[in-house]
Amino acid sequence: DADVTQTPRNRITKTGKRIMLECSQTKGHDRMYWYRQDPGLGLQLIYYSFDVKDINKGEISDGYSVSRQAQAKFSLSLESAIPNQTALYFCATSDSLSRGGQFFGPGTRLTVL
Amino acid sequence: AQSVTQLDSQVPVFEEAPVELRCNYSSSVSVYLFWYVQYPNQGLQLLLKYLSGSTLVKGINGFEAEFNKSQTSFHLRKPSVHISDTAEYFCAVSDAGRRALTFGSGTRLQVQP
Repeated sequence: DADVTQTPRNRITKTGKRIMLECSQTKGHDRMYWYRQDPGLGLQLIYYSFDVKDINKGEISDGYSVSRQAQAKFSLSLESAIPNQTALYFCATSDSLSRGGQFFGPGTRLTVL
Repeated sequence: AQSVTQLDSQVPVFEEAPVELRCNYSSSVSVYLFWYVQYPNQGLQLLLKYLSGSTLVKGINGFEAEFNKSQTSFHLRKPSVHISDTAEYFCAVSDAGRRALTFGSGTRLQVQP
């Protein structure tokens, strides 16, 4: 079984709809992250959480919200999706000092029509 | 604030030739440095990391990178590439693990027969 799982893997939705992307991990890491990837821009940080009660905005948090339901679960929501949120979304995890780097899920491809 | 610049968006190379993918960073504090690889339709996988100590670090699949503090660089090298190395490569930096990673925009390595 994969250490970091994301659901759904693909989603097509319409402008204005509320969407939730879910991430679960079995690595026992306390830190979790959400990134979006757009061609030519690399990965941009949306939100990150260093433990269940600690949530921080990243570079591009506008239009997104998150929930850390448990140490192993971190969800990303788009309250009212818009077309420029069409992207590949990645969840990642790391230990407390990130000395081992981050471990990434397989990604969710989201298309907003 | 920290930033990462990957100087080449695409690098075409013939099979069995050497390759260098360039990465420069800026940061006002001590850093951890990482290289990740993304194969088509997959998530990111850690290739190698520099935390401290020896400036030459070896990773998976025959890749290595050298940390140069004076030039603020962390270039990735492989002496002989294979077709299977075709992928996108991302350089990333974190401030000694205290915050999330900042990624470069990526370099697409295209290995030709």
